[in-house]
Formats: sequence, C-alpha cells, structure tokens
Amino acid sequence: GEDVEQSLFLSVREGDSSVINCTYTDSSSTYLYWYKQEPGAGLQLLTYIFSNMDMKQDQRLTVLLNKKDKHLSLRIADTQTGDSAIYFCAESRSGGSYIPTFGRGTSLIVHP
Amino acid sequence: GAVVSQHPSRVICKSGTSVKIECRSLDFQATTMFWYRQFPKQSLMLMATSNEGSKATYEQGVEKDKFLINHASLTLSTLTVTSAHPEDSSFYICSARDSSGRGSQNEQFFGPGTRLTVL
Repeated sequence: GEDVEQSLFLSVREGDSSVINCTYTDSSSTYLYWYKQEPGAGLQLLTYIFSNMDMKQDQRLTVLLNKKDKHLSLRIADTQTGDSAIYFCAESRSGGSYIPTFGRGTSLIVHP
Repeated sequence: GAVVSQHPSRVICKSGTSVKIECRSLDFQATTMFWYRQFPKQSLMLMATSNEGSKATYEQGVEKDKFLINHASLTLSTLTVTSAHPEDSSFYICSARDSSGRGSQNEQFFGPGTRLTVL
C-alpha cells in the first residue's frame, strides 16, 4: 500500500463541516501536514501538526491526530465554496530530511 | 512573502525536443529547491532535490540524463526535459525552502506548476 492514503472525493453543502481523513504508515513521522491546491496552482500549506500533539486548531481548521492508529483528519468548519480544492495530506521525518511524502489528495466539492 | 514562480505555466512541444522550466524564488534565497511531478488524480512525486552550486540529488527511478537540473543561483533552479516524449507529459511543480529559515518547520513554498504536453 501507499505510505499516505486518503479518499479521493468529498462533497459537502455550503455551511456544513467537512472532514477529510488520512492514514499513514510510518510511525517515525515527525510532522503531519495539510496542503491545499486550487485548480492550476501549486500547493499552499494550510497547517501542520507535530506527531506528539493530538489536536491543533487554527480558525476554521481543526486537525486531529491519532498517532496510535496513524490517522490524521482535517475538519473545516462552515465550509464555503472558496474551500473547493484538492487537499493533500503529507508526512515528513528527520530521516527523510523533512521532505514531505504526499497522499493522492482529496477533491473537496462544496455545493450551494 | 515567500513567493515562488515558474515559467512557463504551460508548454506544448514536439516529441524529441527539449524543454526548460524555470523556478524562481522571488523574495527569498533558496539553497534548496525541489522538483515534483504530478499525474492526474495522483500525489506529487518527488523527482529530485536541487542544491545551489552542486549536483542535484535524484530520487530512485528518475533518469538524471533525461531530467537535467541546474541550480546556478540562490533564486533560480531549472529543469530541462531532454528529448521529450508523450509519456513525459505531466504537471511539474517546484518548491523552495527559505535559506533564512522562514516558514514552519522546513516549510517548502510551492510554485504554481508547469503543464507540459508533448505531442
């Protein structure tokens, strides 16, 4: 299996919460990231979390980390149409020079 | 701040020709830049790490003679796809780390990508 896995699609209604899930395999992962990619554009780092943290909140974004299950999630509260994009989960570790390994990305579609 | 540009944004070329893609850090210096390749519905695949003033480090399975990388200055790295073939068609994305340490935990700042189509 792949090092970082995430579902490919998520569709939500505007105003609802979105939850994007990710699993990873490397227990030595130090940092877990969420990136956003809008159509035809590069990646933008949304947030990251240390592996020794359980949760991180940043405005509408909440990241939850279950290190035991190697599961990471990104919750977007009050999802807006401008949140429609591809969201990539990634992990990095010191042994890999902190170069992220990416999942395939989850395409989030927000409809009115 | 922390802007990375790529040029061109799109390029179409004939099979057998070479194509050069530029990656520039506009407001910071980058000792290290990275080149990724992205296929539709796939994750970003790291191709190589570009180090200013030295040879690039290629990932396993990436042909260094096929994908030439030059990082001649602290703000510019180039990727040249030599003798391009249709299977080289892809979205190429570069990223850069700020040498001064700006950013979160070795953060990479990504360029907008270059869509290469080889006919």
